[in-house]
Amino acid sequence: GDSVTQMEGPVTLSEEAFLTINCTYTATGYPSLFWYVQYPGEGLQLLLKATKADDKGSNKGFEATYRKETTSFHLEKGSVQVSDSAVYFCAYIIQGAQKLVFGQGTRLTINP
Amino acid sequence: ETGVTQTPRHLVMGMTNKKSLKCEQHLGHNAMYWYKQSAKKPLELMFVYNFKEQTENNSVPSRFSPECPNSSHLFLHLHTLQPEDSALYLCASSQTRNTEAFFGQGTRLTVV
Repeated sequence: GDSVTQMEGPVTLSEEAFLTINCTYTATGYPSLFWYVQYPGEGLQLLLKATKADDKGSNKGFEATYRKETTSFHLEKGSVQVSDSAVYFCAYIIQGAQKLVFGQGTRLTINP
Repeated sequence: ETGVTQTPRHLVMGMTNKKSLKCEQHLGHNAMYWYKQSAKKPLELMFVYNFKEQTENNSVPSRFSPECPNSSHLFLHLHTLQPEDSALYLCASSQTRNTEAFFGQGTRLTVV
């Protein structure tokens, strides 16, 4: 069935480290892909998106590339900061559907 | 400020109480959603409204009753809840059912 699988957390890194959070999806159809971020005590915020194969979404130093051949949308950042500590959700929506399909979330903690 | 406002931010209620959660979006969107976020569980889609019409109810117990009087407002009426209903309730909106959703900050509900 339709699903999103994210890297198991929690992930703990030191400041300025390189970040990768893996995301793969199973979808019937051609989805648009998203990463959302949830800071402590807040709702989800859209971080970046990509709507077709080979598109690269980017925002706040984060990037993710839509890889149709591997059905993946891995989130990367070259140098993380303490303020990046949050829970990150990978998600997709399929044209004609009416709901986002979310992964389980990955908790990221950045230590100074 | 995401353009989606939820009130109250925190709510404590007894199992015999009746309360309502409110959501208002200022983005001109046509679709609105209620999600439930419990600790250590994936985000659960509860209800979907499109142009004020309910288009999805994901087998939500009848003690949760949604209301959408217009495209800008969404309510979740609560009555005779159980302690396991304690969670963060998130409202979201989108331009259409096929595009990314924008979330409010959520209402942290505690049932005692």
